Amino acid sequence: GESVGLHLPTLSVQEGDNSIINCAYSNSASDYFIWYKQESGKGPQFIIDIRSNMDKRQGQRVTVLLNKTVKHLSLQIAATQPGDSAVYFCAENYGGATNKLIFGTGTLLAVQP
Amino acid sequence: DTEVTQTPKHLVMGMTNKKSLKCEQHMGHRAMYWYKQKAKKPPELMFVYSYEKLSINESVPSRFSPECPNSSLLNLHLHALQPEDSALYLCASSPTGLTNYGYTFGSGTRLTVV
Repeated sequence: GESVGLHLPTLSVQEGDNSIINCAYSNSASDYFIWYKQESGKGPQFIIDIRSNMDKRQGQRVTVLLNKTVKHLSLQIAATQPGDSAVYFCAENYGGATNKLIFGTGTLLAVQP
Repeated sequence: DTEVTQTPKHLVMGMTNKKSLKCEQHMGHRAMYWYKQKAKKPPELMFVYSYEKLSINESVPSRFSPECPNSSLLNLHLHALQPEDSALYLCASSPTGLTNYGYTFGSGTRLTVV
């Protein structure tokens, strides 16, 4: 299930299940979105991106959905594995004259064996 | 080379010290970024350099001083920091400041101010 901790929402799933991580973004003018995975002690690792002219993009085991009407992004991970355990951040690019990549709150994904 | 390299990986400094964080990339990217990340929080943007010029300063205190000596290097000079400045400092780069794709992050410098 999903719960909101003091600072970081947590999603617990069983190994092999599909995971869905949600993100609300703030700027209706944002034109590009990225999902990052961050493991403890490491920098953010790119997972998948999507431009604002698309509503769905698929990668290997991951799918990103974009709903601009409600400013919502989701990351779907198929057949979740223990190695998927990490914090997941969505990030939005504000665009304009200079890139400005702003991160969402983050979700801790805990995969139970 | 598809990496952003940050040094040192760990740094402990006193409040009266002066130290520098370094970031290097050889991907030909022309935009570079500094972020600060506290535990269980998302990275927060501090500075953006585009074509070696500072283009965004997110109201960062002057005790943090960025420098971009050339298109491959980005430094963050630290002076008179406070304990609350302890955090993970992340560097990132992207192809240009005007093209919104291809952000690559380093592994960060874990800074502790004592």
